[in-house]
Amino acid sequence: EPEVTQTPSHQVTQMGQEVILRCVPISNHLYFYWYRQILGQKVEFLVSFYNNEISEKSEIFDDQFSVERPDGSNFTLKIRSTKLEDSAMYFCASSGGGRSSYEQYFGPGTRLTVT
Amino acid sequence: AQTVTQSQPEMSVQEAETVTLSCTYDTSESDYYLFWYKQPPSRQMILVIRQEAYKQQNATENRFSVNFQKAAKSFSLKISDSQLGDAAMYFCAYWTGGGNKLTFGTGTQLKVEL
Repeated sequence: EPEVTQTPSHQVTQMGQEVILRCVPISNHLYFYWYRQILGQKVEFLVSFYNNEISEKSEIFDDQFSVERPDGSNFTLKIRSTKLEDSAMYFCASSGGGRSSYEQYFGPGTRLTVT
Repeated sequence: AQTVTQSQPEMSVQEAETVTLSCTYDTSESDYYLFWYKQPPSRQMILVIRQEAYKQQNATENRFSVNFQKAAKSFSLKISDSQLGDAAMYFCAYWTGGGNKLTFGTGTQLKVEL
């Protein structure tokens, strides 16, 4: 069964450093998403991406965040200058187009620790 | 804005018994989907069950079923014959085509006791 993969599973970085979280969505999917979950809290939407551009973003997704689909398979989330409060689990998800875009498949997550 | 509320931070159930997790939501949309996701200690998000708002029939997946009350904006999850492997955090979530994003509740931590 096709699945969404994410690397790395755990990333430790120092405050102020740039990090790139990587995702490989399901191959025939058209929509890509990033969600964030701070430990002990709910999962929050960050951004959705379709047709090589951001389709929607939340207020969390400020100028220090960016997303990119550099090739036909990868989907990345970059945090330019990490802060302590960026420590969280980051989930990538993907979905098909049209009426199937509600069915989002999640990757296993990347745990980001900012020290 | 759509909101999803889970009023039970924690629930406990005896193995083989039945438990119901509550969820309410607020929306002005008529076409939407509702989901229950399971998050075990590994923190992987696993889709348990989904319900299309236009369907009156409650969704069922093996031991998992929902009670969807559209007028009351209520979407509860019933787990029958609870197993130790059901112990996890359960999140209720809402999706509408207008936003194309999932909005999650705060979760209910389910403990299964022997």
